[in-house]
Amino acid sequence: KQEVTQIPAALSVPEGENLVLNCSFTDSAIYNLQWFRQDPGKGLTSLLLIQSSQREQTSGRLNASLDKSSGRSTLYIAASQPGDSATYLCAVIRAAGGTSYGKLTFGQGTILTVHP
Amino acid sequence: GAGVSQTPSNKVTEKGKYVELRCDPISGHTALYWYRQSLGQGPEFLIYFQGTGAADDSGLPNDRFFAVRPEGSVSTLKIQRTERGDSAVYLCASSSRGTGANVLTFGAGSRLTVL
Repeated sequence: KQEVTQIPAALSVPEGENLVLNCSFTDSAIYNLQWFRQDPGKGLTSLLLIQSSQREQTSGRLNASLDKSSGRSTLYIAASQPGDSATYLCAVIRAAGGTSYGKLTFGQGTILTVHP
Repeated sequence: GAGVSQTPSNKVTEKGKYVELRCDPISGHTALYWYRQSLGQGPEFLIYFQGTGAADDSGLPNDRFFAVRPEGSVSTLKIQRTERGDSAVYLCASSSRGTGANVLTFGAGSRLTVL
């Protein structure tokens, strides 16, 4: 059974700092890995999606890397801002052969607080 | 609609009662998912619909949980004889076919509290 773990569980940093969130998964047979952001009382917003054949994806100040063989992914946030405060979740889709679908296995999330 | 809509946003009920949670997916999205998120945890998969049929219901915890999607659009998650352990946020998501199949759009969720 796939297990996804995120470290740290919570992180508090001053504005402007660069930071790294970690995600590990036990079964390397994944189709893709996604990073989501969750704000209180709101749904999940997809930030970055990395296909299993890719090593990294970038969007603005965000960069996500994937090392499938070691079962690890990192989300790098550059020049953090108070508006980045949220819960960050990583999730994987298992590679089951044939057509995949959105059956995601999530980590428990990292609660990020960026203070002014 | 423009996004995934879930109603009610909050539901408080008593142990043993029956509850229905509704999800209205993005227009044209054929795939619909239900997830459950307990406090401090990531969402857990419950069920996946492709059109009207449940293609994967392996995440439903027991037979008190049931979901339908009779016309291939709106879906209802039904929970019978609710227990305190059912308290969670129930998230719905939808996606389109083909290359968009793994790109889910999530609703804001329905927070269920069982007293």
